Formats: sequence, C-alpha cells, structure tokens
Amino acid sequence: EVQLVESGGGLVQPGGSLRLSCAASGFNINDFNMNWVRQAPGKGLEWISYLGGTSGGTYYADSVRGRFTISRDKAKNSLFLQMNSLRDEDTAVYYCATYIIPAYWGQGTLVTVSS
Amino acid sequence: EIVLTQSPGTLSLSPGERATLSCRASQSVSSSYLAWYQQRPGQAPRLLIHTTSRRATGVPDRFSGSGSGTDFTLTISRLEPEDFAVYYCQKYGTPPFTFGPGTKVDIK
Repeated sequence: EVQLVESGGGLVQPGGSLRLSCAASGFNINDFNMNWVRQAPGKGLEWISYLGGTSGGTYYADSVRGRFTISRDKAKNSLFLQMNSLRDEDTAVYYCATYIIPAYWGQGTLVTVSS
Repeated sequence: EIVLTQSPGTLSLSPGERATLSCRASQSVSSSYLAWYQQRPGQAPRLLIHTTSRRATGVPDRFSGSGSGTDFTLTISRLEPEDFAVYYCQKYGTPPFTFGPGTKVDIK
C-alpha cells in the first residue's frame, strides 16, 4: 500500500527552527518528483517547495526561499523540510505529496509558530 | 508569476444539479499544465484532473475539465452528496506551482 506519513510538527517560537519528515512506503521516493504544500488554518493551499526525483533540482516559493530547505534520504525513503527563522505566518498544516501524478498525499502535520 | 483566480468563491447547489467552476490565469498556462483538486473538511487534497482534462485514477466520470490558455473549467455533471467540498485549481510545469484560492461547493 502506498503511504506518505508526515511527522515533526509542533509548537515553536518565532525565529525558531523545525524539521519535518515525510516517510514513504509502497514506492521509491527517489523515482518521483516531490512537493511540500501547506495550508494555514481556514485558508487555501500554498505550494512551497519541490524536489526533482532524478534531477535533484529544487524550487521554492518566494515566501520561504532562503529559510526553508527541502531534501531527501534515499536509504530512509524519506523527504524532509528544514524550516528556519520561522514566522507567525508559517503556522499551517504541512503536506508532502508527489508532484501531480501519481497523486500521493500525506495527511499532514501541524506547525504552530507562536510565542 | 502566474496568479490564478477562481470563481465563484462559493457555489450553493442541490444534489443532482450541475456545477461549473472557473479558474482564470493571469498569463497563459503552458502545455495545459492545469490540475484540479477536491478537499473535504479534515482531509488532504485529492487530485481530480490533470493536464486540463485528464481524470486521475479512480475519479468518477461526472468530473470533467476543459479549457486552454488562461481560462479553465471544472464541471461536475450531477452533484453527489460527497461532492460538497472545496475545489482548487493549480498550475504546474514551470515553478512556482501556484494554487487558486478555491471554490466552495455547498448544499443549497
């Protein structure tokens, strides 16, 4: 069964850091392009980062560029999002997902940035 | 950067009715790289349509997508109870892979 499971969310103070993980099962994450997408409470979806499966190329939304870093661990079959210099407006549910098709999405992990 | 606008913001319809949702881009979307997602409360988004008109695996044929350039449409031919949800369009292919603000389809 194909599954993506995010972890690492929680409460963090403004200016702090957090590392999100996304464990994949049922498929090899290295063979697919991957995204991180977030959703602030009561708001819409926001694409924030992409990692190319074969190319390893990365892209970021302007809102997170220079603060967030996407990466993967081939041995662990996992995707990561290192988040630094966190702001109140980074509060959201963070989803990892494959890039468009096949369409695999995790259930999300909540990050709350608050003092 | 391409900005996506969705209309209407909310669509109030009854089960069995036809729903027509619009997604307009500020610039032409290359190669029709436009997708539609459904999101029910408390759930992750679900891909419905990619490449403007291709249904994702397992999506019922009452969902259809059309359009080109800057104007795209998601049509639900006959609303089922489980179709009342929020729908997002997304452009992809060239980053940033922007989402539209969403259209909520609720029960009239």
